[in-house]
Amino acid sequence: NAGVTQTPKFQVLKTGQSMTLQCAQDMNHNSMYWYRQDPGMGLRLIYYSASEGTTDKGEVPNGYNVSRLNKREFSLRLESAAPSQTSVYFCASRRTSVDEQFFGPGTRLTVL
Amino acid sequence: AQSVAQPEDQVNVAEGNPLTVKCTYSVSGNPYLFWYVQYPNRGLQFLLKYITGDNLVKGSYGFEAEFNKSQTSFHLKKPSALVSDSALYFCAVRDKDMGRRALTFGSGTRLQVQP
Repeated sequence: NAGVTQTPKFQVLKTGQSMTLQCAQDMNHNSMYWYRQDPGMGLRLIYYSASEGTTDKGEVPNGYNVSRLNKREFSLRLESAAPSQTSVYFCASRRTSVDEQFFGPGTRLTVL
Repeated sequence: AQSVAQPEDQVNVAEGNPLTVKCTYSVSGNPYLFWYVQYPNRGLQFLLKYITGDNLVKGSYGFEAEFNKSQTSFHLKKPSALVSDSALYFCAVRDKDMGRRALTFGSGTRLQVQP
C-alpha cells in the first residue's frame, strides 16, 4: 500500500514552459486535492476533486489546470510556468469516513 | 469563509518540558479542527482532529489538543517534549456546515526542542 505518490520529486523549468505533475493514490479515496506550500503561508488549495469526473477551484487556481483521470489519479498542469509558481506542491486524498487527508511527499518546482 | 491563525512562527522548548503550539480559528458554522505535522522534506502527517464530543482530543505520539469554543482556539499540547518532536506543525479547519470539503491551513509553527 503506497498511499499517495507524486512524480516528479524535483523539477526546474524555464519561464513559459509547461509541465504536468502526477499524483496517484491506492486507498480508494473519492476526494483528491492539490496544494502549494510557500514559506510563511502554509498550504493553499489550488484545485480539488470531490469524486471522479468532478473538479473545483480552490483558493489559488490561476495558472493551473487539473484532470481527474480516474479514481486513482489527479494531475496538475502548468501551461505556461511563471517564477511565481516556484513552490512545493502537495497532492492529498481524503478518507471520507474519518475526514482525514493523506499527503504525498511533494514536488519541489523551481521556475527560472 | 474559514480561516486559521497560528500566531507563533517558532516555539522553542527544552526536552522534557511541556509544549504548547497555539491555534485560533474562524468559521461561520461549526468547526472540524485538525493538527498535522511535517518533518523535513516530507508531506504532512495527520496528528489528531476534533469533530464533536470531548473538548480534549488525544492523538499520535502523545500529543493532545484542547478545543475551546468560547475562545475559538485549538491549541496543541504535549506534557513532555522530545527532540524528535522538532518539526513544522499546521493547524487546519473545515466548516462542518458548508458543502465544500477542503481544509484551510494556518501558516505553520516550527517547533524546536533543545536537548
